[in-house]
Amino acid sequence: DAGVTQSPTHLIKTRGQQVTLRCSPKSGHDTVSWYQQALGQGPQFIFQYYEEEERQRGNFPDRFSGHQFPNYSSELNVNALLLGDSALYLCASSFTVQGYQETQYFGPGTRLLVL
Amino acid sequence: AQTVTQSQPEMSVQEAETVTLSCTYDTSESNYYLFWYKQPPSRQMILVIRQEAYKQQNATENRFSVNFQKAAKSFSLKISDSQLGDTAMYFCALKRSSRALNFGKGTSLLVTP
Repeated sequence: DAGVTQSPTHLIKTRGQQVTLRCSPKSGHDTVSWYQQALGQGPQFIFQYYEEEERQRGNFPDRFSGHQFPNYSSELNVNALLLGDSALYLCASSFTVQGYQETQYFGPGTRLLVL
Repeated sequence: AQTVTQSQPEMSVQEAETVTLSCTYDTSESNYYLFWYKQPPSRQMILVIRQEAYKQQNATENRFSVNFQKAAKSFSLKISDSQLGDTAMYFCALKRSSRALNFGKGTSLLVTP
């Protein structure tokens, strides 16, 4: 049973560029959440996708956007990159039952470095 | 205001000993879930244990157990018979209703031989 997978594992970009990160959820899961983890900090919630729609959003600017596909995989897009966007980006998947999400399981993350 | 507080940035324990990691949280809701996640140096976040707020019985998973004090809003993790592989960052997280996980800043645990 494949767990949550993310690609790429590492990425280097320069300020002002755009980046797309990808996530495939654990088999049987239909909900994908994205988190940003700065060095030495706990993960911060960016947004969550369910039924191909953004269901919740954390305190992140509109430069951060996402998408969920019919197969439940998801993308995180960040435009106009800033140095402060350098972080580990974690994807977590879960299964939603009657509007409630079950336990979230995390992928290995994508390490983004903005120069 | 911080919702989940982990007051111990770093801790150390010898192999085979027992260690307790502290976590306090804040919520006015009655229906919520608490989690401990482990993040080893390889960085994959792994679920350690989960506690439903409506359950009085403390959750246990092999060597890992929690002390859930609902009135005090405290949720500590006890690791018994510590092993070198337990070395990692440990994050306490709160999930309220259908909202996303809210993490603490983490506790770095080092298990020494």
